[in-house]
Amino acid sequence: EVQLVESGGGLVKPGGSLRLSCAASGFTFSSYSMNWVRQAPGKGLEWVSSISSSSSYIYYADSVKGRFTISRDNAKNSLYLQMNSLRAEDTAVYYCARDDLSPMSGDYYFDYWGQGTLVTVSS
Amino acid sequence: SYELTQPPSVSVSPGQTARITCSGDALPKKYPYWYQQKSGQAPVLVIYEDSKRPSGIPERFSGSSSGTMATLTISGAQVEDEADYYCYSTDSSGNLRVFGGGTKLTVL
Repeated sequence: EVQLVESGGGLVKPGGSLRLSCAASGFTFSSYSMNWVRQAPGKGLEWVSSISSSSSYIYYADSVKGRFTISRDNAKNSLYLQMNSLRAEDTAVYYCARDDLSPMSGDYYFDYWGQGTLVTVSS
Repeated sequence: SYELTQPPSVSVSPGQTARITCSGDALPKKYPYWYQQKSGQAPVLVIYEDSKRPSGIPERFSGSSSGTMATLTISGAQVEDEADYYCYSTDSSGNLRVFGGGTKLTVL
């Protein structure tokens, strides 16, 4: 059974930093690209960042580019998100999500999600 | 930046057909996907590659698209189908991921 378990959320002051982790199990982690997706309270889903299976390709949403860094450790079956210069608008539940690849189109989509970890940026 | 547009809300009575639309300029070239999110839970994939259902998703869920518009149809909506529904796709490069704003489905 595929499991994704996020951790590391909490309360942080504006301008502060936080590192999120996602522990993966039930599949060959090193074979899949992974993502972070967030959801602000009462708002919709927002894709944050993606990382390919070997970390060769990394992409960010414009809203976090230059402040957030995605990384992974395939030996530890773990995904990370280093968040710096945090702002109030970064307050959200952060989900870890696994990619699947559409053989029809070659596009990626999210097939499994964790339960999320809450990040609150407030003074 | 690329956007997908959904209506904020749709309301139907139990047993009726609910249709949720999603419009986007790249949809003629990119498959739409649909996610269901119930209150306090993580999203769940209900339709992929425009019209396919993952294992375990009821047959009443179906998807279609024409031009720049994709539609999620729930035939004979049930009270348990009340949720937020999000369409998803990628931009033309395939590297940037985009969600629609979400549609709150009310079944009562």
